[in-house]
Amino acid sequence: DQQVKQNSPSLSVQEGRISILNCDYTNSMFDYFLWYKKYPAEGPTFLISISSIKDKNEDGRFTVFLNKSAKHLSLHIVPSQPGDSAVYFCAAVSNSGYALNFGKGTSLLVTP
Amino acid sequence: NAGVMQNPRHLVRRRGQEARLRCSPMKGHSHVYWYRQLPEEGLKFMVYLQKENIIDESGMPKERFSAEFPKEGPSILRIQQVVRGDSAAYFCASSTIGGTGNTEAFFGQGTRLTVV
Repeated sequence: DQQVKQNSPSLSVQEGRISILNCDYTNSMFDYFLWYKKYPAEGPTFLISISSIKDKNEDGRFTVFLNKSAKHLSLHIVPSQPGDSAVYFCAAVSNSGYALNFGKGTSLLVTP
Repeated sequence: NAGVMQNPRHLVRRRGQEARLRCSPMKGHSHVYWYRQLPEEGLKFMVYLQKENIIDESGMPKERFSAEFPKEGPSILRIQQVVRGDSAAYFCASSTIGGTGNTEAFFGQGTRLTVV
């Protein structure tokens, strides 16, 4: 069963605009959420995370928002750059666990 | 994440052969995790190991798959009698701490196994 869902397989955004990637989860035990970026033929690279005690975390051009009541989080990239083109995975883990539960990923294409 | 070394990068096996995937964690990391990514899917947790111990193998298929992380040397994921459905990318991650989340986990570049 897919406990972390990324319903948009792909997203195309113009350079300089905002990219918004969405993620939903079903397991209420999850309390830590992470975004990973992955280029083809590479391993995932950690991007940004958020704890369930927060609703926002910001790091440079990247901001993650968490809505616990809706079991929804989103990653905002602004301004988007062509180098941001990659597959973005949302992942979640419970406080008592260590196994990351990944979504299927969203392929972001930033066009010049 | 170049510090986590996986080899080989690509592995082709015929049905029924054995596949051995190796993972050398980052220096100073004693926790290793294996994940599998099937085509068009996200990564799925397979097993969590510390040196000489399997902590959690709840994500491992019941048969044909095994993992170890010896006192010396890399962690090994072994798949016996491979079938076409084993074709996937296998990623290893390592961290200095385990337990609560693994935000400190760094992933290797993966081994792409193709079973023909």
